[in-house]
Amino acid sequence: DTEVTQTPKHLVMGMTNKKSLKCEQHMGHRAMYWYKQKAKKPPELMFVYSYEKLSINESVPSRFSPECPNSSLLNLHLHALQPEDSALYLCASSQKRGGGGTDTQYFGPGTRLTVL
Amino acid sequence: KNQVEQSPQSLIILEGKNCTLQCNYTVSPFSNLRWYKQDTGRGPVSLTIMTFSENTKSNGRYTATLDADTKQSSLHITASQLSDSASYICVVSLYNAGNMLTFGGGTRLMVKP
Repeated sequence: DTEVTQTPKHLVMGMTNKKSLKCEQHMGHRAMYWYKQKAKKPPELMFVYSYEKLSINESVPSRFSPECPNSSLLNLHLHALQPEDSALYLCASSQKRGGGGTDTQYFGPGTRLTVL
Repeated sequence: KNQVEQSPQSLIILEGKNCTLQCNYTVSPFSNLRWYKQDTGRGPVSLTIMTFSENTKSNGRYTATLDADTKQSSLHITASQLSDSASYICVVSLYNAGNMLTFGGGTRLMVKP
């Protein structure tokens, strides 16, 4: 099973709402990632978790709050977002955050977020 | 600065024709290079991955090449199908940089009947 699942597929929220994006993988991967992708642009890295610990935060605003409850789950909590935060949010996982070789990041299908 | 540049930005071809997409990178030290296919509104799907010592890798009708000396890669699609319409992203990872990826801007391919 090489699947990364994400829920919900679509999300519309107001600027005062609190919502969460969920990501799950059962490949035994120990590194998980959140990316933000605007239309016609490549994905931009937001956060990296390695062995359930936050290892990279790419200077993401605090209105985005990641959480890794266990090795299979990754959440992204959203609060007081802005319209410019509307984008496709991608989750990915890989065997480890160690780099090199043929370790591949597997991406989920994404959550299309619209902030009104 | 580590960069990955792809050309062309967009491409339209007729069904059944072949095409080649290009990727140039300045990432160093290099670990591996991947080509991903991304359908509109979906997550990227890995097509091929090549390390420093590999020159060619095939996946069905997709063939990727790598010249680590000139830091160039190409993705050749044979006998294109309508389902090949997507964005193709070249991604390079840094050696010992925690599997962090540097993404190219992608090539948007449209296959017309």
